[in-house]
Amino acid sequence: TQLLEQSPQFLSIQEGENLTVYCNSSSVFSSLQWYRQEPGEGPVLLVTVVTGGEVKKLKRLTFQFGDARKDSSLHITAAQPGDTGLYLCAGAPWAGNMLTFGGGTRLMVKP
Amino acid sequence: DVKVTQSSRYLVKRTGEKVFLECVQDMDHENMFWYRQDPGLGLRLIYFSYDVKMKEKGDIPEGYSVSREKKERFSLILESASTNQTSMYLCASGSTDTQYFGPGTRLTVL
Repeated sequence: TQLLEQSPQFLSIQEGENLTVYCNSSSVFSSLQWYRQEPGEGPVLLVTVVTGGEVKKLKRLTFQFGDARKDSSLHITAAQPGDTGLYLCAGAPWAGNMLTFGGGTRLMVKP
Repeated sequence: DVKVTQSSRYLVKRTGEKVFLECVQDMDHENMFWYRQDPGLGLRLIYFSYDVKMKEKGDIPEGYSVSREKKERFSLILESASTNQTSMYLCASGSTDTQYFGPGTRLTVL
């Protein structure tokens, strides 16, 4: 079983602060996705990273895939209350294989 | 935009009832998935389908069945609902490694 561990599990910060959340595994993944899920809604795909060392930016969000393709990070600059939600990472050990989901990081950004 | 819709946002059923959860996608995806999401346990795959009338068990198929009669529609069936099936049910479509989710159905079994 491919395990993805996310940290921290919970994070509460003030608007304007920066933060980084992590997604780690001892296994290699061919690709890794990040989702955001708001309360009572389904997860929404934010980004997919496929190349070791890859960095993708989505406005104030920066996603990085580790060189060895075993870990990933999500950095949010100047967090806003609209960033509040559950951030999930998910990975496939090889192309065409089922996704494994991490347990998520629950982020709360206070105004 | 990818659109995945689920028939109900909230559902309350009684123990022993047969429950149907429906999911429709408009992206012509061959793969569709059913997950349940529980606090502390994350998303767990119940069943998936890679083509019409084709299905594969996921990690927790016990107590569930599925039906895929048309490409765009994937149904999850609880033959005899039990209280331990109270959960958030999420449908997704897409490739096996990139999936698009519906809004979810929060099912409560009393």
